[in-house]
Amino acid sequence: EIVLTQSPGTLSLSPGERATLSCRASQSVSSTYLAWYQQKPGQAPRLLIYGASSRATGIPDRFSGGGSGTDFTLTISRLEPEDFAVYYCQHYGDSSWTFGQGTKVEIK
Amino acid sequence: EVQLVESGGGLVQPGRSLRLSCAASGFSFEDYAMHWVRQAPGKGLEWVSGISWNSASIGYADSVKGRFTISRDNAKNSLYLQMNSLRPEDTALYYCAKTQGESLYSYGQFDYWGQGTLVTVSS
Repeated sequence: EIVLTQSPGTLSLSPGERATLSCRASQSVSSTYLAWYQQKPGQAPRLLIYGASSRATGIPDRFSGGGSGTDFTLTISRLEPEDFAVYYCQHYGDSSWTFGQGTKVEIK
Repeated sequence: EVQLVESGGGLVQPGRSLRLSCAASGFSFEDYAMHWVRQAPGKGLEWVSGISWNSASIGYADSVKGRFTISRDNAKNSLYLQMNSLRPEDTALYYCAKTQGESLYSYGQFDYWGQGTLVTVSS
């Protein structure tokens, strides 16, 4: 079973700064099935990125995804106040869907 | 507008059963695979189960296999999760989630989510 490990656990940044979130898989995975979600308190997750680097419908271009193999990143180029939230990576493979434990992006 | 509305959650004793429902609207429900994903209080996301458009393909997480049953009724635009032999560790907010295609195994991401229904398993 593939395990996704996200780092850091918490990222403290100021609005306007760049955020780089990491997702590491326990073994090499297909980029096709790597996604990122944003979750705000009291809300359902929202799909941001799929296929490791494709933005979902309506997602601003300040969000970008990249990586391959075992190492993937979500980058927020300039943090807006509404971007402070928890972010999850997720992978599908071998008939199983797996999430990372999440990275909280908080206001510094 | 895609809408997914879960219902059926509540407080239930360990060992008892509960059936969750998800009412879908705003899209052609019969054309998409659907899933259940849960989130324990203050914790991360955990995939529970998924079903293809025609119910021919079904998958379960090991943690619920043999206890939970997913089903759908395309005529009623509804997804269900029958949960038996409930345990305290099943306590969570249960989300209904849509994928981007009909096949269970062709699309890995969930593009729309409901707001969830809370299941609490406690004596």
